[in-house]
Amino acid sequence: DAGVTQSPTHLIKTRGQQVTLRCSPKSGHDTVSWYQQALGQGPQFIFQYYEEEERQRGNFPDRFSGHQFPNYSSELNVNALLLGDSALYLCASSPGGQGFHEQYFGPGTRLTVT
Amino acid sequence: SQQGEEDPQALSIQEGENATMNCSYKTSINNLQWYRQNSGRGLVHLILIRSNEREKHSGRLRVTLDTSKKSSSLLITASRAADTASYFCATDVMNSGYALNFGKGTSLLVTP
Repeated sequence: DAGVTQSPTHLIKTRGQQVTLRCSPKSGHDTVSWYQQALGQGPQFIFQYYEEEERQRGNFPDRFSGHQFPNYSSELNVNALLLGDSALYLCASSPGGQGFHEQYFGPGTRLTVT
Repeated sequence: SQQGEEDPQALSIQEGENATMNCSYKTSINNLQWYRQNSGRGLVHLILIRSNEREKHSGRLRVTLDTSKKSSSLLITASRAADTASYFCATDVMNSGYALNFGKGTSLLVTP
């Protein structure tokens, strides 16, 4: 049973560019959340997708957008990259529906903005 | 802003010793979870404790929750070098949806 997978593993971009990160949830999970983890910090919630809709959003600018596909996989897009966007981006999946469920994390994508 | 805060920031012990990490949070929660992270990789889920539970065990892990003090502790017994990692507590704030709120973590070093 494959867990949460993310691609790519590492990415280097230049300030001002755009980037797309991808996530496939754990089998049986239909909810995907994205987190940003700066060096030495805990993860910060970006947003969560359920039934192809953004269900909840954290305190991130509109430059951060996402999408969920019918197969529950998800993309995180970041436009107009800033140096401060350099971080580990983590995807987490969980079963959806009512109530709160454990979230299972992928290995992350390390984004470096130069 | 971060809801939880782990203490201590760093902990160094020898194999076989017990490691205790604490987590404090600010607002009422539904659940509290502990995660482990090795060398900046993805987070591994360790244990979830619900707000109406006081203690939970999983293998060498023991988690307690005191909602009156808004605090939790993670005890790792008989630690091993492989336990070397960063440990985070994560809370979901009551009536605030599904986001997990993490602290900055405790960095644990277990030396042989």
